[in-house]
Amino acid sequence: KAGVTQTPRYLIKTRGQQVTLSCSPISGHRSVSWYQQTPGQGLQFLFEYFSETQRNKGNFPGRFSGRQFSNSRSEMNVSTLELGDSALYLCASKVTNWDNEQFFGPGTRLTVL
Amino acid sequence: EDQVTQSPEALRLQEGESSSLNCSYTVSGLRGLFWYRQDPGKGPEFLFTLYSAGEEKEKERLKATLTKKESFLHITAPKPEDSATYLCAVQAEKDDKIIFGKGTRLHILP
Repeated sequence: KAGVTQTPRYLIKTRGQQVTLSCSPISGHRSVSWYQQTPGQGLQFLFEYFSETQRNKGNFPGRFSGRQFSNSRSEMNVSTLELGDSALYLCASKVTNWDNEQFFGPGTRLTVL
Repeated sequence: EDQVTQSPEALRLQEGESSSLNCSYTVSGLRGLFWYRQDPGKGPEFLFTLYSAGEEKEKERLKATLTKKESFLHITAPKPEDSATYLCAVQAEKDDKIIFGKGTRLHILP
């Protein structure tokens, strides 16, 4: 069974640009969550989607947004990039939103210059 | 405010030297506490979920325990391949958000 896949794996952008990251969950998983991981702040929750609906959101500015498609694939978008957005962005999937065991993808390493 | 604090930040052990990692948490209503392992360049790998004080779970050389204020991850006779960052997270009943600690970097010397 294929795991969670994230594309691209690495990305370099400049300040002010926008970026879209993609996540394909494990087959049969309908819940997708996004996290930002930095050395200083650790893993921080961005948002969770289940059945194409955002059901939870962390404390990030509105520049961070996401969506989920009918096939459970998810994208997150960051607009007007700032240097501080440089981080590893992780996607995790689980079968349902009330499930406990999350499976993480390898992440997308975003560098903002 | 809900929060998770892990200690120590880093730990170096000799192969076979048992130890424990600590995860202290403050949450208004615990739905679950999770332990993950993260290797460099990879996403976290799920290890355990604990739901209530007194619960224990084991997997190979790892055993996780839970009290009302903290969780311990006990590592018995570790091997170099146990070297990784171990992350603790809690899920709050009120909003289902999952809050992670900053992790403990564990290095096992051969």
